[in-house]
Amino acid sequence: GAVVSQHPSRVICKSGTSVKIECRSLDFQATTMFWYRQFPKQSLMLMATSNEGSKATYEQGVEKDKFLINHASLTLSTLTVTSAHPEDSSFYICSGGDDNNEQFFGPGTRLTVL
Amino acid sequence: GDSVTQMEGPVTLSEEAFLTINCTYTATGYPSLFWYVQYPGEGLQLLLKATKADDKGSNKGFEATYRKETTSFHLEKGSVQVSDSAVYFCALSDATSGTYKYIFGTGTRLKVLA
Repeated sequence: GAVVSQHPSRVICKSGTSVKIECRSLDFQATTMFWYRQFPKQSLMLMATSNEGSKATYEQGVEKDKFLINHASLTLSTLTVTSAHPEDSSFYICSGGDDNNEQFFGPGTRLTVL
Repeated sequence: GDSVTQMEGPVTLSEEAFLTINCTYTATGYPSLFWYVQYPGEGLQLLLKATKADDKGSNKGFEATYRKETTSFHLEKGSVQVSDSAVYFCALSDATSGTYKYIFGTGTRLKVLA
């Protein structure tokens, strides 16, 4: 099956710093990439949808200036959490959508903001 | 809008017991339905899927049948193992709405005791 990787798998940062998370589709071209956030023992919440070369579409309530998404190529999308605070600590999961509109999920990145 | 409702957990079973996790959905179009499994600290893995009414998805002993008349996609396994302990998410993707977003249920935690 299609493989999506995320880097880093875990990151700890100080409050006020920015953190970048990479999402790569390794063996397919992801026409669309999705970013989710998951709080402990809860479901996945879609944050934004991005298409290669265009601006991301953010879900209601998600601050686009805080969660910067770049989808520079068909195999790479990045999520930058700017000026991170402890409440941004969470598990971030990306997925890549193929031409059949099926999503393949990355292993997730655990962000801890001190 | 579209939604997915899962039975609340946690579900605790003895090894070799029969498993059912209920999932019902509401959708305006003709969704594809999925079951994903998440092990502790990891991302989502596709367990099985069905793309049209009466389709049966199966994998690793798990089965689910797409029932349009009852708008359900219940997950079953005849004999669970300790290694099946995880969180299970039901999800739908409604391509006819034009967004191809996945809508997830809240997840059901399964614990299998030896």
